[in-house]
Amino acid sequence: EDKVVQSPLSLVVHEGDTVTLNCSYEVTNFRSLLWYKQEKKAPTFLFMLTSSGIEKKSGRLSSILDKKELFSILNITATQTGDSAVYLCAVDSHKGGKLIFGQGTELSVKP
Amino acid sequence: GAVVSQHPSRVICKSGTSVKIECRSLDFQATTMFWYRQFPKQSLMLMATSNEGSKATYEQGVEKDKFLINHASLTLSTLTVTSAHPEDSSFYICSASSVSGANVLTFGAGSRLTVL
Repeated sequence: EDKVVQSPLSLVVHEGDTVTLNCSYEVTNFRSLLWYKQEKKAPTFLFMLTSSGIEKKSGRLSSILDKKELFSILNITATQTGDSAVYLCAVDSHKGGKLIFGQGTELSVKP
Repeated sequence: GAVVSQHPSRVICKSGTSVKIECRSLDFQATTMFWYRQFPKQSLMLMATSNEGSKATYEQGVEKDKFLINHASLTLSTLTVTSAHPEDSSFYICSASSVSGANVLTFGAGSRLTVL
């Protein structure tokens, strides 16, 4: 059975800290891995990763994929209170466009 | 960028009634839309894949007669929760891909259903 596992499930840090969120997966026919940020409502897209070892970067956020070890990490440097959210990892496994989501990591950044 | 509009954002209904949730792609055509359900502190669980002009594909364990999906046009899919019960109370989110061949989903804002 395909599955996506995220860790930690929750994390509390202070502004300025750097955090690393983890996502491991076991899926057949891997196509891509996606990271989303979910605040109160709908998830918003952060990154899509398809190739190993190529870092995607957007401001203070970056992510990388390891297809050999079947995991991805999402890094956030110099965290701000606005980074507080649930971060979702999802994998596209060539199954008619369906995404398999992990449980999410709830990040809380304290002032 | 691509926008998916979902309505209503909140709905409260009595047990036994039916509730319809709409999902619209505002600036792109979506032949496929996805309906997810999310319980508090839990991740998104795919309920069904909505295909324009054909029947929806439901995930295992999702009752198709209870969660009716209609995708009559390239920009609109609806989810109707029929004969709602308190256990149907949840956050329902639709999504669609605006990029052909890729699976970067754009999500609607979600609809929080409370069944009394």
